[in-house]
Amino acid sequence: DTAVSQTPKYLVTQMGNDKSIKCEQNLGHDTMYWYKQDSKKFLKIMFSYNNKELIINETVPNRFSPKSPDKAHLNLHINSLELGDSAVYFCASSRRAANEKLFFGSGTQLSVL
Amino acid sequence: DQQVKQNSPSLSVQEGRISILNCDYTNSMFDYFLWYKKYPAEGPTFLISISSIKDKNEDGRFTVFLNKSAKHLSLHIVPSQPGDSAVYFCAATREGGADGLTFGKGTHLIIQP
Repeated sequence: DTAVSQTPKYLVTQMGNDKSIKCEQNLGHDTMYWYKQDSKKFLKIMFSYNNKELIINETVPNRFSPKSPDKAHLNLHINSLELGDSAVYFCASSRRAANEKLFFGSGTQLSVL
Repeated sequence: DQQVKQNSPSLSVQEGRISILNCDYTNSMFDYFLWYKKYPAEGPTFLISISSIKDKNEDGRFTVFLNKSAKHLSLHIVPSQPGDSAVYFCAATREGGADGLTFGKGTHLIIQP
């Protein structure tokens, strides 16, 4: 069983579209994250949720909105996609909100044309 | 500004020899450090960590050394095996905080047969 699973694995779309990436973890963790790996290969945190509550919200455009229906799920909605949004997006989870090791999903490669 | 730097984008090592991957950090608030390993099309997986109260942590073939005064850590893999070929990310954070991990750009380790 995959501990942290995200779908889709690949997402190709046109500029201006709205898309969503889903993430689920079956580890019983309290905290979930979205990280972005851009073309320069940096992994940067975007959001963090603890028990469905937002605890980290880095400087990310308003077009990105995370939604956590329960503590096992953290979805990422992106409105009005732009070329610069092309990247690999990783979902992750950790046992609690304290900084400690993260368990990552396999990533979603988003290509905006 | 890169708070975590991995200055070698790639490293080639012969099978059976020692691999040494380096990482430098600039934020003196960081006191917990992790190494992640990433294969293509997969998410990063946790490898080993070290707290600033230690200067060495060992787990099988993997050893992490921390030099706080130099703000430098290194990952030693010995002996290197073909399956170790991957991208290795160094990450740093404030232990007990809730602001996530800060990653370096990664080093691509290639183990030559």
